Amino acid sequence: KAGVTQTPRYLIKTRGQQVTLSCSPISGHRSVSWYQQTPGQGLQFLFEYFSETQRNKGNFPGRFSGRQFSNSRSEMNVSTLELGDSALYLCASSSRTEKNEAFFGQGTRLTVV
Amino acid sequence: AQTVTQSQPEMSVQEAETVTLSCTYDTSESDYYLFWYKQPPSRQMILVIRQEAYKQQNATENRFSVNFQKAAKSFSLKISDSQLGDAAMYFCAYRSAFGGTSYGKLTFGQGTILTVHP
Repeated sequence: KAGVTQTPRYLIKTRGQQVTLSCSPISGHRSVSWYQQTPGQGLQFLFEYFSETQRNKGNFPGRFSGRQFSNSRSEMNVSTLELGDSALYLCASSSRTEKNEAFFGQGTRLTVV
Repeated sequence: AQTVTQSQPEMSVQEAETVTLSCTYDTSESDYYLFWYKQPPSRQMILVIRQEAYKQQNATENRFSVNFQKAAKSFSLKISDSQLGDAAMYFCAYRSAFGGTSYGKLTFGQGTILTVHP
């Protein structure tokens, strides 16, 4: 079966702009989580969605938001981009029927200039 | 809040040899899951092995095994017969078995870069 798909793979944005990243989970997976990976802070949890509802949120400013659609696809949005938002953004999907194991996409590399 | 610590930023091993990566964690919970993930240069996070805290038996997956010491809150990964393809960043991760503010949340260590020499 197809894995987790994240688009786009690479993005370059200017400070102050906003950006939307997309994540298509494995078919049948209803939970989608987002992580930010930077050399300095490592991997940090952003938020988790399940059946279109945000169930959990990490310690990030309100500029970071997300949503999930009825087909479980998820988007995350970052508004008013800052240089420090440059990172690899990873999405993971999971299902209770697969022991809630997190399957990751290949990530979106965001560069803010 | 849970924390995960990997004290070895870098490790190296000769091909066909054995290497052990260390991980310690801190939690007040009694039930949880521990994982080792591998992240090669392609950036894809791949699950290597998982351990349920309620199981005393250490998990094994082919050449990969763990030493889970619940009382000491230690969770090390042993890679036997190392191969060139094992070279990657390895992350130790924790997930609560409970819901609430733990839904979907993995807490990661800082990672260990493993180099495999031919």
